Amino acid sequence: AQKITQTQPGMFVQEKEAVTLDCTYDTSDPSYGLFWYKQPSSGEMIFLIYQGSYDQQNATEGRYSLNFQKARKSANLVISASQLGDSAMYFCAMRVNTNAGKSTFGDGTTLTVKP
Amino acid sequence: GAGVSQSPSNKVTEKGKDVELRCDPISGHTALYWYRQRLGQGLEFLIYFQGNSAPDKSGLPSDRFSAERTGESVSTLTIQRTQQEDSAVYLCASSNRGFYGEKLFFGSGTQLSVL
Repeated sequence: AQKITQTQPGMFVQEKEAVTLDCTYDTSDPSYGLFWYKQPSSGEMIFLIYQGSYDQQNATEGRYSLNFQKARKSANLVISASQLGDSAMYFCAMRVNTNAGKSTFGDGTTLTVKP
Repeated sequence: GAGVSQSPSNKVTEKGKDVELRCDPISGHTALYWYRQRLGQGLEFLIYFQGNSAPDKSGLPSDRFSAERTGESVSTLTIQRTQQEDSAVYLCASSNRGFYGEKLFFGSGTQLSVL
């Protein structure tokens, strides 16, 4: 069975600073993908960044980067230069090759950016 | 369509009534997913469609829940004899082929309230 753990229910960051949201995962499947999604208070789920299990380099998308440490089974999201609009719930998710139809989500981290 | 469309956006029903929730995926996406999100919590997998077949319906919580999909198009999630614990946001998502490396495109969800 797959499991995603997000240990930070809530995080605060000052505007323009960087913040790291933690995510650890567990799977025995060697082929998997890790995703981060953002859910603002309006409710829609927005894809942010993807890391494949065979990717050698950490993924980056604009101000978002994924700190992928395969041996430690962690996939932390780093947001640089935080903006007020980054205040939202953030979910880490995983899909595995042997059960690709089912994404497993963590419980989420609520990020609040302070002016 | 341009994105995943769900209807209705809000549904209030009385305990014991049946409800139907509709999802129209992105055109050409063969994979479709239903998730449930209780207030302040993560996403709970319900069912996955590949075309009009459901290889994984392991997340359906009881036999009161059922879903169908017409070809590679619209899906309907039906909840019979609704209970108060069914109150949640029901999110639908689609992806191109259902490969584990694909991100999910989410609809805006249906907020279901059972009185």
